Amino acid sequence: GAGVSQSPSNKVTEKGKDVELRCDPISGHTALYWYRQSLGQGLEFLIYFQGNSAPDKSGLPSDRFSAERTGGSVSTLTIQRTQQEDSAVYLCASSLGLTGDTQYFGPGTRLTVL
Amino acid sequence: AQSVTQLGSHVSVSEGALVLLRCNYSSSVPPYLFWYVQYPNQGLQLLLKYTTGATLVKGINGFEAEFKKSETSFHLTKPSAHMSDAAEYFCAVSESGFRGARQLTFGSGTQLTVLP
Repeated sequence: GAGVSQSPSNKVTEKGKDVELRCDPISGHTALYWYRQSLGQGLEFLIYFQGNSAPDKSGLPSDRFSAERTGGSVSTLTIQRTQQEDSAVYLCASSLGLTGDTQYFGPGTRLTVL
Repeated sequence: AQSVTQLGSHVSVSEGALVLLRCNYSSSVPPYLFWYVQYPNQGLQLLLKYTTGATLVKGINGFEAEFKKSETSFHLTKPSAHMSDAAEYFCAVSESGFRGARQLTFGSGTQLTVLP
């Protein structure tokens, strides 16, 4: 079946602009995660959604970052007033939402802030 | 908070040789442990995981790992390396969090090179 998809695959933007990154989870997966992969910080957890419940935002690095998940499916990660340190690969993962279950990752969006 | 340490950011082995990638974790509760592989410009793919039960876990592509509680380790092995195994490998631990969320905490990764 279809895996997790993310768009765009690459995004180049100028410092100060806003960007939106999209994630389509695997059908039927109730849990959705965003991670960031950068050279300096490795793989970091950003935010978690479980069904229609309020998200766990504990990993978001600043208030310029926000995310929403509409209808318990597609998610959008928004970065406002981008900075050069936001340059990274943003990975989305989804899972069944059960304890110990596997998170399936999308191919990521590579964000470059000039 | 839990953490993961991967010893060796770069490991090189000859084709056909044993692959050993080391992972140690810290946790105050029994962890769930994962190994993921990442090929260039791709997302992460699960190799294997330990949740409960048998401590020796077998995964895809001939990899296996053993959970050793006394050593807080979860090392990844493969008896005979293949050129196609060249990739970056990440060890991860999941922790109970917000309403049972199981976000992953990753190690820094090990880049595996396979020499002909």
